Amino acid sequence: DIQMTQSPSSVSASVGDRVTITCRASQGISSWLAWYQQKPGKAPKFLIYAASSLQSGVPSRFSGSGSGTEFTLTISSLQPEDFATYYCQQANSFPPTFGPGTKVDIK
Amino acid sequence: EVQLVESGGGLVKPGRSLRLSCTASGFTFGDYAMSWFRQAPGKGLEWVGFIRSKAYGGTTEYAASVKGRFTISRDDSKSISYLQMNSLKTEDTAVYYCTKGKYCSGGSCYADYWGQGTLVTVSS
Repeated sequence: DIQMTQSPSSVSASVGDRVTITCRASQGISSWLAWYQQKPGKAPKFLIYAASSLQSGVPSRFSGSGSGTEFTLTISSLQPEDFATYYCQQANSFPPTFGPGTKVDIK
Repeated sequence: EVQLVESGGGLVKPGRSLRLSCTASGFTFGDYAMSWFRQAPGKGLEWVGFIRSKAYGGTTEYAASVKGRFTISRDDSKSISYLQMNSLKTEDTAVYYCTKGKYCSGGSCYADYWGQGTLVTVSS
């Protein structure tokens, strides 16, 4: 199975800050990577697919980049509703696997 | 509006069975793969399995941790996906989510819509 890692595991930030989360795959996955946002007690929300394509309805302050084994999720100007845990997921090969998550909390 | 509603969760003893249902609306159900994920309390996300659309054979794939115990099926006439869980173990305790597949590669899909989840607790 492809192992996914994320860094940092948590980040404290303020409203308006730029936040970057890194996701690494144990082997190349081309651009088959998605990002999800999950708030406590809620289902995950699909943000980005194919490493950099924004899902319809997702604010443009979210962006993704990368290919191969290293990917990033960037929130350009953190808003109060963005405090959540973010997961990356590879969909290049079976089985699909997730990173352990990055918690973004209030500084 | 796409909606996925899971039902059927609850408390069950180890070794027993439970069937979860996922009722879909707002899209042409039969055109899409449907996946199930789970999240143990305080833990991350884990893929459980998925079922391809009939156009791709309607075949299924499972995580190693549930293979042989769990079965996913679909009823396209009712827009429902099922997760039959047999021989349940305490480590199967989790919130189970049904999702709609988007852009699948081999045995993996993105999950663009998620249900609200249903809690399965396996305990004696």
